[in-house]
Amino acid sequence: NAGVTQTPKFQVLKTGQSMTLQCAQDMNHEYMSWYRQDPGMGLRLIHYSVGAGITDQGEVPNGYNVSRSTTEDFPLRLLSAAPSQTSVYFCASSYSRTIAGELFFGEGSRLTVL
Amino acid sequence: GEDVEQSLFLSVREGDSSVINCTYTDSSSTYLYWYKQEPGAGLQLLTYIFSNMDMKQDQRLTVLLNKKDKHLSLRIADTQTGDSAIYFCAERDSGYSTLTFGKGTMLLVSP
Repeated sequence: NAGVTQTPKFQVLKTGQSMTLQCAQDMNHEYMSWYRQDPGMGLRLIHYSVGAGITDQGEVPNGYNVSRSTTEDFPLRLLSAAPSQTSVYFCASSYSRTIAGELFFGEGSRLTVL
Repeated sequence: GEDVEQSLFLSVREGDSSVINCTYTDSSSTYLYWYKQEPGAGLQLLTYIFSNMDMKQDQRLTVLLNKKDKHLSLRIADTQTGDSAIYFCAERDSGYSTLTFGKGTMLLVSP
């Protein structure tokens, strides 16, 4: 089992460019989510999904889009990157849509926007 | 909305006990969690506690929950240098669909 796989691990963008952070899990988890981690801010929820075809906004959704066409994949799209989106992004999944247990985290994607 | 507060830094000597504290705001939280993050890695679940429990022990880890004061603590006995990491407290929201994390406590264990 690979668990939660995030790609790329590192990315540098210029302001205004677009990109997609990929997240895939092979555990047949219903729940998937994206967090960003910034110094002194902890982890903040961007978007989450409780199943294929269902997504919802978290605490800091502006500037990001998500979709969930399959159970396995939950990509995060930056449509027009801004320096404020420089961060480490974590994808996390749980077997239950009510998160009655462990969130499994990927290793993170470090994004720098110049 | 939910808010989770933690002290930002704790330094202890190897062999001592470490106590990391957390306060939360959502009195309807049913699950409270402790996660550990090592440098350059994602978060890993250490332990969690149901809101109907006061204490949970798991080897060197002891979690204490004071629901009246909305206070959660994590005690690590016989702290080792390998325990140096960032520790996050988290609560599940009343809608059961999101976790709110604290800012994390950096634990530094010196030999």
